[in-house]
Amino acid sequence: DIQMTQSPSSLSASVGDRVTITCQASQDISNYLNWYQQKPGKAPNLLIYDASNLETGVPSRFSGSGSGTDFTFTISSLQPEDIATYYCQQYDNLPLIFTFGPGTTVDIK
Amino acid sequence: QVQLVESGGGVVQPGRSLRLSCAASGFNFITYAMHWVRQAPGKGLEWVAVISKDGSNKYYPDSVRGRFTISRDNSKNTLYLQMNSLRAEDTAVYYCARDFQSNIMFRGVFDYWGQGALVTVSS
Repeated sequence: DIQMTQSPSSLSASVGDRVTITCQASQDISNYLNWYQQKPGKAPNLLIYDASNLETGVPSRFSGSGSGTDFTFTISSLQPEDIATYYCQQYDNLPLIFTFGPGTTVDIK
Repeated sequence: QVQLVESGGGVVQPGRSLRLSCAASGFNFITYAMHWVRQAPGKGLEWVAVISKDGSNKYYPDSVRGRFTISRDNSKNTLYLQMNSLRAEDTAVYYCARDFQSNIMFRGVFDYWGQGALVTVSS
């Protein structure tokens, strides 16, 4: 099965900072990579799908890039409401499985 | 608007069974594959099951295969998760989630989530 790693596991940044999270797959997953935001006590929320497509209604300060095994998620200007844990997630069909990364917790410095 | 509302969570003893339900509204349920995803306390997300639009195809990870069964009733716009032989490590919040609409069986993108149902397995 494909394994997903994320780094860092946590980070602290100032409002307005550019924040970058990386996600690595153990084998080529093309662009089958999605990013979710989860605030404490809430369900996850889809931000980015197929590596770089912004979900409808999601602020443009969020972006994603990458393909193959290496992916990047960026918040261009961190806002107080972005405090959350961010998860990458991949989809593989041989065998059919959906795998989440371990998550990256973002807070304000 | 799209709504997914889970119910049926609670405290159950190890080895016993529990069935979760997820009532869907605000969209054409029969045109979407559906998933269950869980989150143990303080831990990350783990995909648990997926079912195709017509209910004929179902898949599970090794951790629950043979113990959990996903099903759906498209006439009632409801998704189910039957959990048997429950273990302490099944303790988690269980979310139902909608898959992206697509012409292929599973798109693998969870675009709407319910609020979650807590299942606690404890003696």
